[in-house]
Amino acid sequence: QSALTQPASVSGSPGQSITISCTGTSTDVGAYNYVSWYQQHPGKAPKVMIYDVSNRPSGVFYRFSGSKSGNTASLTISGLQAEDEADYYCSSYTISNTYVFGTGTKVTVL
Amino acid sequence: EVQVVESGGGLVQPGGSLRLSCTASGFTFSDHYMDWVRQAPGKGLEWVGRIRNKVYSSTTEYAASVEGRFSISRDDSKNSLYLQMNSLRTEDTAVYYCARAGGRYNSYFDYWGQGALVTVSS
Repeated sequence: QSALTQPASVSGSPGQSITISCTGTSTDVGAYNYVSWYQQHPGKAPKVMIYDVSNRPSGVFYRFSGSKSGNTASLTISGLQAEDEADYYCSSYTISNTYVFGTGTKVTVL
Repeated sequence: EVQVVESGGGLVQPGGSLRLSCTASGFTFSDHYMDWVRQAPGKGLEWVGRIRNKVYSSTTEYAASVEGRFSISRDDSKNSLYLQMNSLRTEDTAVYYCARAGGRYNSYFDYWGQGALVTVSS
């Protein structure tokens, strides 16, 4: 199972919006609405930001939103803030009853 | 408060074995699927495997990279999850996270431990 494809880095100024893409195949992202997104600060454990494509867990700011079209999922961060600077990973359930993560995207707040 | 805490990491030689443990608290452990996820130094996340709850006979799934070498088990009486790692390779060097499967469909990982470092080196 190959890793889902994410851009290596995305940057934006405070207050701007950025979007991170996550491209898979018809056997993972395209097969189910079980895409989730994780934020990871250096030296810390990942934290779920979006699950089942577009659902936000309690406690996650409304500035984070998710969507999916075909084999590509996206995470949008609106009103970018300094504390959003972190690594972001997508994940998807697969037809093999396994999970696959994305390659990871480093978000930089300029 | 939901907590999962890994233990048992350390240095092991190639070809050796190691068992990680994960102790859970703050929720009904026996109800939940549990997963292991790892992260090699400076690299991305990699799903290792899952164990379902007793309703589904505690069945397991594994990533192809560890199938046949790693084994996941659980002891619901001790609120504990285990990862038995055999025939370890240098490429298994990573921080290993224990994570609870969340949501109605167990489709994501909602609580993570702080991780246990496993170093495979001679």
